[in-house]
Amino acid sequence: SAVISQKPSRDICQRGTSLTIQCQVDSQVTMMFWYRQQPGQSLTLIATANQGSEATYESGFVIDKFPISRPNLTFSTLTVSNMSPEDSSIYLCSGKFNTDTQYFGPGTRLTVL
Amino acid sequence: AQSVTQLGSHVSVSEGALVLLRCNYSSSVPPYLFWYVQYPNQGLQLLLKYTTGATLVKGINGFEAEFKKSETSFHLTKPSAHMSDAAEYFCAVSEGGGYQKVTFGTGTKLQVIP
Repeated sequence: SAVISQKPSRDICQRGTSLTIQCQVDSQVTMMFWYRQQPGQSLTLIATANQGSEATYESGFVIDKFPISRPNLTFSTLTVSNMSPEDSSIYLCSGKFNTDTQYFGPGTRLTVL
Repeated sequence: AQSVTQLGSHVSVSEGALVLLRCNYSSSVPPYLFWYVQYPNQGLQLLLKYTTGATLVKGINGFEAEFKKSETSFHLTKPSAHMSDAAEYFCAVSEGGGYQKVTFGTGTKLQVIP
């Protein structure tokens, strides 16, 4: 299995600010994804991070709120912009290393006050 | 469209007892199926997967799951629960491999009682 790291592991932020989460993979992946896991709930796909081009967002998620970058095959960032308490969640980075299996980072636990 | 239903958001078993976590799926094509485990304050770890071939799949930590097409099920089992198995378990499905998205179930929290 691959190693996926994220930072920060957790943060407490003020309403109206932005936070950028970094995801680093230890080997090249075919696809990278960002998920949100709200308290007590399952995972919701935010977007697919595309190398060198705009991310592909799922319904209900927009680039202005969650800008994503993926400058190369092993690194991606997710920014949570203009945060509100409703954005308090765990944000998970995921990479697909072959055609069938996704691996996950440890997550970033975000609390917005 | 694909979907996953996990029966029981919370399951409690005694230490040493059988663990059975239920998962039913819906898919318009032959599915790929996964079980992930999430320990408190951690990310998701892949337990096992079914793509093609043998329908009984063995994973890490003594877990296994059987793909039953006729029942559209992929239940997770372990013969004897250990305290360290206490975690949340997610079943997931994708419509094949490649660039297909993975859809997760709502999760089942497993409590192991000493």
